[in-house]
Amino acid sequence: DTGVSQDPRHKITKRGQNVTFRCDPISEHNRLYWYRQTLGQGPEFLTYFQNEAQLEKSRLLSDRFSAERPKGSFSTLEIQRTEQGDSAMYLCASSLPGQGLSLHFGNGTRLTVT
Amino acid sequence: GENVEQHPSTLSVQEGDSAVIKCTYSDSASNYFPWYKQELGKRPQLIIDIRSNVGEKKDQRIAVTLNKTAKHFSLHITETQPEDSAVYFCAVTGTYKYIFGTGTRLKVLA
Repeated sequence: DTGVSQDPRHKITKRGQNVTFRCDPISEHNRLYWYRQTLGQGPEFLTYFQNEAQLEKSRLLSDRFSAERPKGSFSTLEIQRTEQGDSAMYLCASSLPGQGLSLHFGNGTRLTVT
Repeated sequence: GENVEQHPSTLSVQEGDSAVIKCTYSDSASNYFPWYKQELGKRPQLIIDIRSNVGEKKDQRIAVTLNKTAKHFSLHITETQPEDSAVYFCAVTGTYKYIFGTGTRLKVLA
């Protein structure tokens, strides 16, 4: 399978714990995105990487959220001191460079904070 | 920043009828307009897209129209089938950031 893969698929954690998610994009895609989706809503932009550089981070992200893409390949999204409001589906997407190219989404990581 | 509005939020049609979903956007610099279909528990998947230099694009039963002057674009599904039931999202981008609409839940009634 050469699509975008995310791990884990589901994560249940207690409030206050830290969690980390991983995304492996399609190999030739140098653009990588993290989105958050809650029930009944469209994906909300969180952050964007071009190769290893994080070029934009949404104001939606508090300082408890950090994302990395150390070698320009896979990416991790860490949430520290989780809160119940962090419960959502976290989607990773990748695309080729250039304008007007579609995003390819992974299956997402569903986070539940109890 | 860019704002995308999508209507309606829910749409029920009889099998065989047509469905139309509309999105409006605010940033005139936007130049790429994809549509995604998301089935329950699955990833959003691209079904059709259109670039700003084109007014209409069709792929079998699915078409998208773009009015750049009015800043709106629409998804048209003809001869709807039960398997078309899903949530549909429009998106807009000008450079690298994709902004999504709030989604339309389409139900095709057999």
